[in-house]
Amino acid sequence: DIQMTQSPSSLSASVGDRVTITCQASQDISNYLNWYQQKPGKAPKLLIYDASNLETGVPSRFSGSGSATDFTFTISSLQPEDIATYYCQQYDNLPRTFGQGTRLEIK
Amino acid sequence: QVQLQQSGPGLVKPSQTLSLTCAISGDSVSTNSAAWNWIRQSPSRGLEWLGRTYYRSKWYNDYAVSVKSRITINPDTSKNHFSLQLYSVTPEDTAVYYCARENLSFSSGSSQFDYWGQGTLVTVSS
Repeated sequence: DIQMTQSPSSLSASVGDRVTITCQASQDISNYLNWYQQKPGKAPKLLIYDASNLETGVPSRFSGSGSATDFTFTISSLQPEDIATYYCQQYDNLPRTFGQGTRLEIK
Repeated sequence: QVQLQQSGPGLVKPSQTLSLTCAISGDSVSTNSAAWNWIRQSPSRGLEWLGRTYYRSKWYNDYAVSVKSRITINPDTSKNHFSLQLYSVTPEDTAVYYCARENLSFSSGSSQFDYWGQGTLVTVSS
């Protein structure tokens, strides 16, 4: 199985801050990576697909980049409604695997 | 707009079978552009993909090795839904279970879980 490792596991930032989360794959997955946002009690929501494409309706302050084994997810200006846990997920191979999550809090 | 509505019991006894259904609206379980997945989430295992069913001229299934010996995912074209059966459950199977549509293109290689059910907390306990 492809292991996905996110860092940090948790993050505290202020409104307006630029926030960056990284995700590392245990092997080359090209750009076969998605990012999700999950709020408490809700299902994950797709934000970024194919490593860098913004899902329709998702605010442009969210972005993704990277390829092969190293990926980055960025919120350019943190908003209060962005408080959530964020996950990366690879689809290069079965089984589909997720990172362990990054919990984002407001400072 | 695609919607997935989950149903099924929230409490299952050890050694029994966990059964959940995911009703699809706004799409077809027989579509050639998606696969229909079950994913679970627990504090100990995080988000764990369990398996999927999809139709490409015939029906296919893929399952996670960790549950392959005791899982079945079946489509029901007459009701436009798909189901999960997990046999011989133990307390380690306690989790929130989600159904999810995987927007899947074998030609481009692209895949995303773009629609999810509301989640069902299933507790395995006597």
